[in-house]
Amino acid sequence: SYELTQPPSVSVSPGQTASITCSGDKLGDKYASWHQQKPGQSPVLVIYQDTKRPSGIPERFSGSNSGNTATLTISGTQAMDEGDYYCQAWDSSTHYVFGTGTKVTVL
Amino acid sequence: QVQLVQSGSELKKPGASVKVSCKASGYTFTTYTIHWVRQAPGQGLEWMGWISTNTGNPTYAQGFTGRFVFSLGTSVSTAYLQISSLKAEDTAVYYCARGVSAYDAVDFWGQGTMVTVSS
Repeated sequence: SYELTQPPSVSVSPGQTASITCSGDKLGDKYASWHQQKPGQSPVLVIYQDTKRPSGIPERFSGSNSGNTATLTISGTQAMDEGDYYCQAWDSSTHYVFGTGTKVTVL
Repeated sequence: QVQLVQSGSELKKPGASVKVSCKASGYTFTTYTIHWVRQAPGQGLEWMGWISTNTGNPTYAQGFTGRFVFSLGTSVSTAYLQISSLKAEDTAVYYCARGVSAYDAVDFWGQGTMVTVSS
């Protein structure tokens, strides 16, 4: 079955850049999306089709996807960006799959 | 605006069944699929499967066959998740989410339904 692997945690200082990776076999050949989940809340889509931001998502969120790795970058990270982030992709064998999740802490 | 409103929390005994509803509004229901996602306490997101809102045809992820059933209601724009023979390990928050085939992604989520299985 297809799997997506993320680092368990990422720490970043306010105003700095946070990068969250998502690794999967030939992930660059698929569309990757990213979801943010704050404590006690439902997830929110922040990036789809590798690089696109839904309406209302700040420009500081950006994405890329190549080879076996998709990356979510948060530029000028703010305290409100703390939470868990999940990558997601579609694979012909497992259909939709979520990554293992990364907890972002703004120190 | 797009909304997915789910039914309230449930407390069930092992062996019982539960049915979670997901009512969509703010868009044409049949234009998008409905996905179901499980999140056990303190754990990550786990994709359970999806249902076509055109045909009612469900697709289940590995590990979610047999006791899990996706369906559409006679009520307008509502999807259902039914879980039978509940076990303690089914305790989780269950989310419905709107699927966009062109994106290979889900773009809007319901508020989640907490299902607790305990004797």
